[in-house]
Amino acid sequence: EIVMTQSPATLSVSPGERATLSCRASQSISNSLAWYQQKPGQAPRLLIYGASTRATGIPARFSGSGSGTEFTLTISSLQSEDFAVYYCQQYNNWPPLTFGGGTKVEIK
Amino acid sequence: QVQLQESGPGLLKPSETLSLSCTVSGDSISSFYWSWIRQPPGKGLEWIGYIHYSGSTNSNPSLRSRVTMSVDTSKNQFSLRLSSVTAADTAVYFCARWVLYNWFDPWGQGTLVTVSS
Repeated sequence: EIVMTQSPATLSVSPGERATLSCRASQSISNSLAWYQQKPGQAPRLLIYGASTRATGIPARFSGSGSGTEFTLTISSLQSEDFAVYYCQQYNNWPPLTFGGGTKVEIK
Repeated sequence: QVQLQESGPGLLKPSETLSLSCTVSGDSISSFYWSWIRQPPGKGLEWIGYIHYSGSTNSNPSLRSRVTMSVDTSKNQFSLRLSSVTAADTAVYFCARWVLYNWFDPWGQGTLVTVSS
């Protein structure tokens, strides 16, 4: 099973600032990585797939990078609606498909 | 626009069987693969399994012995059964479209299932 580790667990950021979230895979997953945003009481929403491709309707301030075992989600200028929990998910080796533990982006 | 909606009992007793359905609207269930994912309160996401309209399934090895999935193309619906539930199965259960053996999009709103005596 591929273990996905996200860091930090919580990120405190001021509106308008840049946020950088990390996701590490326990073995190489090429670019088979997706990022999701989850707000309280809601389902996760797909942000990024293929490590760097934005899903339909996702603002350009969200960007993904990385390959192999190290991945990054960057939010260039945080808006109020971006404060949420973010999860990464690998789909290179399954079953099982696996998610990271999440990073909570909170208002500083 | 594809939409998914979970339905089923919200409260179970230990040892009972969890049964949930997911109704798909806006697309044919025959077009894609479909998945179940769960999230214990305050915790992360765990993939349960997938099903194809042909009946092909696969599931998380950690749950495989207790998971059964089925599809009803006439209702554009797929279902999950999880047997012998315990308190550890208390979670929000989501259904989602599994795109090209890769990512999940979109997701249903989720339904909370609580296991308690």
